Amino acid sequence: GQQVMQIPQYQHVQEGEDFTTYCNSSTTLSNIQWYKQRPGGHPVFLIQLVKSGEVKKQKRLTFQFGEAKKNSSLHITATQTTDVGTYFCAGGTSGTYKYIFGTGTRLKVLA
Amino acid sequence: NAGVTQTPKFQVLKTGQSMTLQCAQDMNHNSMYWYRQDPGMGLRLIYYSASEGTTDKGEVPNGYNVSRLNKREFSLRLESAAPSQTSVYFCASTLSGSNQPQHFGDGTRLSIL
Repeated sequence: GQQVMQIPQYQHVQEGEDFTTYCNSSTTLSNIQWYKQRPGGHPVFLIQLVKSGEVKKQKRLTFQFGEAKKNSSLHITATQTTDVGTYFCAGGTSGTYKYIFGTGTRLKVLA
Repeated sequence: NAGVTQTPKFQVLKTGQSMTLQCAQDMNHNSMYWYRQDPGMGLRLIYYSASEGTTDKGEVPNGYNVSRLNKREFSLRLESAAPSQTSVYFCASTLSGSNQPQHFGDGTRLSIL
């Protein structure tokens, strides 16, 4: 079945360092979404990418969707302690109502 | 402006007991989902309902049943709870389909002894 792998599983960074998480799907996606989950909380939608090669920015966060629409990345510039949490990608497939979530990357930021 | 409401927030069950997790959304969304989240496993889809009157299996449906009671409510039932079903359960909804943002409830933390 369809799988979405996400790496790394964990990342510890010093405050001010950059952070990147990568998402790879076994099949072509129609769109990819990114979510953030704070410790003890629920996933919160960050952004959706739809087009091949698309790049979107939200302040210090940069999201990319691969040309083949099978991979994506989230890059955070100059991390802050407020960035702590687990980041998930979720792939959507055309013609279905299902999302397949990646395993997540847990980010810890050391002050 | 509640969004997605899940009840209960916490529950402890004994093996073999049954229970129903409730989920309601007030955003007039058509599609609703049930996920379970286990450490290191991400979110795995149990069942979903594309629209009122329809339900479909996700990745891990065994041991669960669902009911889409109306457009607002989507319940998840464990008929005979097993320790392997200890998890955090999240309900989510979208306007329609897999190209829309998902809105999640706060989750139900379920322990089965």
